[in-house]
Amino acid sequence: NAGVTQTPKFQVLKTGQSMTLQCAQDMNHEYMSWYRQDPGMGLRLIHYSVGAGITDQGEVPNGYNVSRSTTEDFPLRLLSAAPSQTSVYFCASRPLRQNTEAFFGQGTRLTVV
Amino acid sequence: DAKTTQPNSMESNEEEPVHLPCNHSTISGTDYIHWYRQLPSQGPEYVIHGLTSNVNNRMASLAIAEDRKSSTLILHRATLRDAAVYYCILPNSGGSNYKLTFGKGTLLTVNP
Repeated sequence: NAGVTQTPKFQVLKTGQSMTLQCAQDMNHEYMSWYRQDPGMGLRLIHYSVGAGITDQGEVPNGYNVSRSTTEDFPLRLLSAAPSQTSVYFCASRPLRQNTEAFFGQGTRLTVV
Repeated sequence: DAKTTQPNSMESNEEEPVHLPCNHSTISGTDYIHWYRQLPSQGPEYVIHGLTSNVNNRMASLAIAEDRKSSTLILHRATLRDAAVYYCILPNSGGSNYKLTFGKGTLLTVNP
């Protein structure tokens, strides 16, 4: 049982490049989400999904796309990276039923130069 | 959405108890209180949650005020490994029972 796995752990992009941050979970959780965390700040919700084929925007969705074709995977796409997207990105999953714990990945540290 | 208020930082000595407060004066009757913590350079991890009664688990205890407008996370004997940012969250607020909204939390420093 690996939990929530994020890849890559580190990434450097040039402005304008695109990339996909991968997130996979093996706990059959319906709910998955992406957060970003800037230095000295709490986590801010980017996008979330309550099941395959269903996604919705969080607090800071601009510049990011998501899709959920399977229960296990929830990739985050940066279409044209900007320096403002330099951050640490965390993926989380949890069951949809009430008051269950969420599990987080170890994070992807992204730098856009 | 019901909001939470926590001190920015607290300090403790190793092997002493730590009481981390959280105010949530606009909490509704169905809002559970969840605590997560984030160790340095790691993703957040679940600590504990409760509704009305005090709760205990292997990591911590959660004391909830009778009017539910505040709660306290209790670490009975702090260790250096407990140094982290602690977040108090009400995931049920705002019509969603699954989204976690993080504030800045309380940075706990544990002195040897």
